[in-house]
Amino acid sequence: RKEVEQDPGPFNVPEGATVAFNCTYSNSASQSFFWYRQDCRKEPKLLMSVYSSGNEDGRFTAQLNRASQYISLLIRDSKLSDSATYLCVGGSTLGRLYFGRGTQLTVWP
Amino acid sequence: DGGITQSPKYLFRKEGQNVTLSCEQNLNHDAMYWYRQDPGQGLRLIYYSQIVNDFQKGDIAEGYSVSREKKESFPLTVTSAQKNPTAFYLCASRDLYGYTFGSGTRLTVV
Repeated sequence: RKEVEQDPGPFNVPEGATVAFNCTYSNSASQSFFWYRQDCRKEPKLLMSVYSSGNEDGRFTAQLNRASQYISLLIRDSKLSDSATYLCVGGSTLGRLYFGRGTQLTVWP
Repeated sequence: DGGITQSPKYLFRKEGQNVTLSCEQNLNHDAMYWYRQDPGQGLRLIYYSQIVNDFQKGDIAEGYSVSREKKESFPLTVTSAQKNPTAFYLCASRDLYGYTFGSGTRLTVV
């Protein structure tokens, strides 16, 4: 079983839509969680960290459910520029992080 | 500005050749990582180093070698033993706030 698993999609949504991604992690000892965004043929870039209490950054909301071992990302009012692959990441605080395979999002006009 | 620099951006290797990918960071991070990305397979860990002069194999270390003689530098050598080296190679360093990636090297076997 992979450490971090996520639905690869693709998700195709119109501009203005709300879209949610979920991922699950297998190691209950994992302490650090992130969402990364990767554009085509580019390196991944940190979108946001995920905290137990949930956190919001503009149109993006991340949540962590430790009991069920899943992480979510909600994007509200989708923009064309949100089209990318979103990587779910989890692992230890200062050691190795594990990446999901990514969820592809396409926002259409 | 602090960051990670990978070079070259594109690299072509003949079969049987060893090639070395450069990764330099000025973020003062202790931990550094090398990942390989193939289409549809996500990121796979090749090697990582948590401190100077120490490194560990990741999930797909066969055919690769690394060194960590300086905190700032973590070069990756793709040896002729790596039978399918064509891929996008990403170097990263991390702190409490996650990974910072370099812009990657695309390696192609010709």
